[in-house]
Amino acid sequence: AQSVSQHNHHVILSEAASLELGCNYSYGGTVNLFWYVQYPGQHLQLLLKYFSGDPLVKGIKGFEAEFIKSKFSFNLRKPSVQWSDTAEYFCAVRTRAGGGSQGNLIFGKGTKLSVKP
Amino acid sequence: DTGVSQDPRHKITKRGQNVTFRCDPISEHNRLYWYRQTLGQGPEFLTYFQNEAQLEKSRLLSDRFSAERPKGSFSTLEIQRTEQGDSAMYLCASSLAGLKPRETQYFGPGTRLLVL
Repeated sequence: AQSVSQHNHHVILSEAASLELGCNYSYGGTVNLFWYVQYPGQHLQLLLKYFSGDPLVKGIKGFEAEFIKSKFSFNLRKPSVQWSDTAEYFCAVRTRAGGGSQGNLIFGKGTKLSVKP
Repeated sequence: DTGVSQDPRHKITKRGQNVTFRCDPISEHNRLYWYRQTLGQGPEFLTYFQNEAQLEKSRLLSDRFSAERPKGSFSTLEIQRTEQGDSAMYLCASSLAGLKPRETQYFGPGTRLLVL
């Protein structure tokens, strides 16, 4: 069965530090990849997405992610975090069997990011 | 606000009772998904609809769970004879699935269920 692994359960950084959150998935075929963010007390919001083309995708609030097919990875990065980035981050994959869309997303367990002011 | 809405936001019930949740998707979105999220986990897929047709159900969806989307707009998720293990956040998401496979799901605020 397909799965998504997020390596870090809780990351604590100081403001202005660089961020990289790992995400690996297990599926050998074509995938769509997503990062969602959940700020405290808010619902899941889309941060960025990858469907095809340039493997480096840029999202909102200065976040970016790189799809490395050979490593089955889609790591999230931000060069300089802010206190307002404190949130939980979820990586998600949708498999595309037969060229179509399977529909549902498979999520990782999430990474809590705490940014100290 | 034209996002996905869910009602109620919180529900406390006693074991054995039935509960029903409602989801209103973004207008004109033809797909609607239900997920469940427990503490320390990411959302887990339960079921989804394209228009009024229920296209897929997860093995997580026991016989006590039923979902409907009668007119292809809002959806309801009912849990019969609730158990303490049903306590979770129930999330709804909607999307517009077209010819090009660039579907993006947008999530609602969720309904938090506590079964006593």
